[in-house]
Amino acid sequence: QKEVEQNSGPLSVPEGAIASLNCTYSDRGSQSFFWYRQYSGKSPELIMSIYSNGDKEDGRFTAQLNKASQYVSLLIRDSQPSDSATYLCAVILTGGGNKLTFGTGTQLKVEL
Amino acid sequence: DAGITQSPRHKVTETGTPVTLRCHQTENHRYMYWYRQDPGHGLRLIHYSYGVKDTDKGEVSDGYSVSRSKTEDFLLTLESATSSQTSVYFCAISNNDRGNYGYTFGSGTRLTVV
Repeated sequence: QKEVEQNSGPLSVPEGAIASLNCTYSDRGSQSFFWYRQYSGKSPELIMSIYSNGDKEDGRFTAQLNKASQYVSLLIRDSQPSDSATYLCAVILTGGGNKLTFGTGTQLKVEL
Repeated sequence: DAGITQSPRHKVTETGTPVTLRCHQTENHRYMYWYRQDPGHGLRLIHYSYGVKDTDKGEVSDGYSVSRSKTEDFLLTLESATSSQTSVYFCAISNNDRGNYGYTFGSGTRLTVV
């Protein structure tokens, strides 16, 4: 079992819809969770961090964390073509110091 | 990207030659990291540093070495490049000393070993 798992996609959604991206992790003791966006040929860019169970909203983005289910998700409301990118989930695992472990990413395509 | 630069941006090298990639930061951050990114594998940690002359291995460190003689510079060396080391290499700095504010990444180096 991979430590951080994501569906590779592609996930296709129409413009204006809600995109839902999911990530599961294996380490129950993990405390810090991040979502990165990566455009093709570019470097990853941090868009959300979440540390407590529940929802955290920032503009059109909402991160959701459920530690009991070892599940973190990213919702993108009113999806735009400019949101088309690969979204990487990253977790600081127990005993990992401050090292991030990444999932392989989910490719999102927002279609006109 | 936020005071972190990588050089070179692109490099083609021959199998068996040594290669050094450079990461330079102007943020005075303590923690620095080298990752490689490959299709199907995502980002994997090669080596990291928690201060000058303090480095440690990540999950894919074989064939790589690092050095950090100054806070601002973190060098990654491929001792004898192989085709399996063809990849995109990213340097990152931790946004705080505990690392729980995430990382900022450099623009990456695309390395091709022929």
